[in-house]
Amino acid sequence: GAVVSQHPSRVICKSGTSVKIECRSLDFQATTMFWYRQFPKQSLMLMATSNEGSKATYEQGVEKDKFLINHASLTLSTLTVTSAHPEDSSFYICSASRQGESYEQYFGPGTRLTVT
Amino acid sequence: AQSVSQHNHHVILSEAASLELGCNYSYGGTVNLFWYVQYPGQHLQLLLKYFSGDPLVKGIKGFEAEFIKSKFSFNLRKPSVQWSDTAEYFCAVRSGGYQKVTFGIGTKLQVIP
Repeated sequence: GAVVSQHPSRVICKSGTSVKIECRSLDFQATTMFWYRQFPKQSLMLMATSNEGSKATYEQGVEKDKFLINHASLTLSTLTVTSAHPEDSSFYICSASRQGESYEQYFGPGTRLTVT
Repeated sequence: AQSVSQHNHHVILSEAASLELGCNYSYGGTVNLFWYVQYPGQHLQLLLKYFSGDPLVKGIKGFEAEFIKSKFSFNLRKPSVQWSDTAEYFCAVRSGGYQKVTFGIGTKLQVIP
């Protein structure tokens, strides 16, 4: 068990539009979900941490009004990139921690966003 | 703030060669240490982790890592690599009681048959 899915796997959108990425824990309840961004040849950069039912905690330098995170249930978190621009093009990865296992994260396959 | 350094960005080895990937972190307090692996086309998976106890940690697929507190290091080793070990390897650190995990830049390992 401990499978995390992301949808979509790839998305291309026009500059100025918004894109929503879903992250689901398929076979467990995730009290905490994390959103990362990965630039080419760079490490995963944590964007925000979201706990079910509460507001996400954003890392320094991440615009919370641009990257809206909703963790409405124990199995679903969404990241909405609002008014996307080409510089938002990146690989977005989510991970989830199980209830009682705050130390371990299970990663989704990632979503490749391209903004034209 | 914690940081993680991985010294080798790209490693090429022949099958059966021994592997050691370096990882150093900067944080003076209690840490949890991880190695993740990402096989081509797949998502990140946990390879092994250290929380406490024996500093020599054994993970899946014959990998092991040693936590040396005095050197702030958590190097990954495997005595004999296989072609199927071709992947990208990430070292990560979680400090204190925080949930945040900081990742290194990753090391791409290419094993030549």
